[in-house]
Amino acid sequence: ETGVTQTPRHLVMGMTNKKSLKCEQHLGHNAMYWYKQSAKKPLELMFVYNFKEQTENNSVPSRFSPECPNSSHLFLHLHTLQPEDSALYLCASSQEASRVNTEAFFGQGTRLTVV
Amino acid sequence: AQSVTQLGSHVSVSEGALVLLRCNYSSSVPPYLFWYVQYPNQGLQLLLKYTSAATLVKGINGFEAEFKKSETSFHLTKPSAHMSDAAEYFCAVSASSWGKLQFGAGTQVVVTP
Repeated sequence: ETGVTQTPRHLVMGMTNKKSLKCEQHLGHNAMYWYKQSAKKPLELMFVYNFKEQTENNSVPSRFSPECPNSSHLFLHLHTLQPEDSALYLCASSQEASRVNTEAFFGQGTRLTVV
Repeated sequence: AQSVTQLGSHVSVSEGALVLLRCNYSSSVPPYLFWYVQYPNQGLQLLLKYTSAATLVKGINGFEAEFKKSETSFHLTKPSAHMSDAAEYFCAVSASSWGKLQFGAGTQVVVTP
């Protein structure tokens, strides 16, 4: 079983749909992250959770709503998305968000297409 | 503030040739530096990291990187490219109190026979 698991791997949704992305980590980490990876753009950090508390929201539109019920699970709830939100959404975890010298472990991502 | 710049969005190398991917960083405090690799339709996988111990860091798959403070660089090299090295490579820096990784734009590596 991989360290960070994301489901689903692929998602196609209409602009009026509501869907959720799920991330689960089995590494005993206390920090979890959502990143957005769009074609020809740098990786964008969206949200940071540390010990279940949101510590960062990088000016993400409210149509993206994160949820972290415990240190092992992270969700990204999606509603009324736009076609430009189509991207690869990556979840990551690390020991703690405050530790600068530890790496993040990434899931395989959810390829989202908004039609 | 911290940032990384990767020179060259695409690099083409012949199989068996040297792979050199350039990364320069900007940080107001001593940085921690990372190289990640992303294969098609996959997440990012850590290749190696610099955390202020040895300046020459060895990673997986034969890759290594050298931290040069005077040049603010952390270039990634591999002596002999394999076809399996075709992927996108990301340099990242972490220097803030909250340990956020700041990624470069990535370099796509193509390996030709």
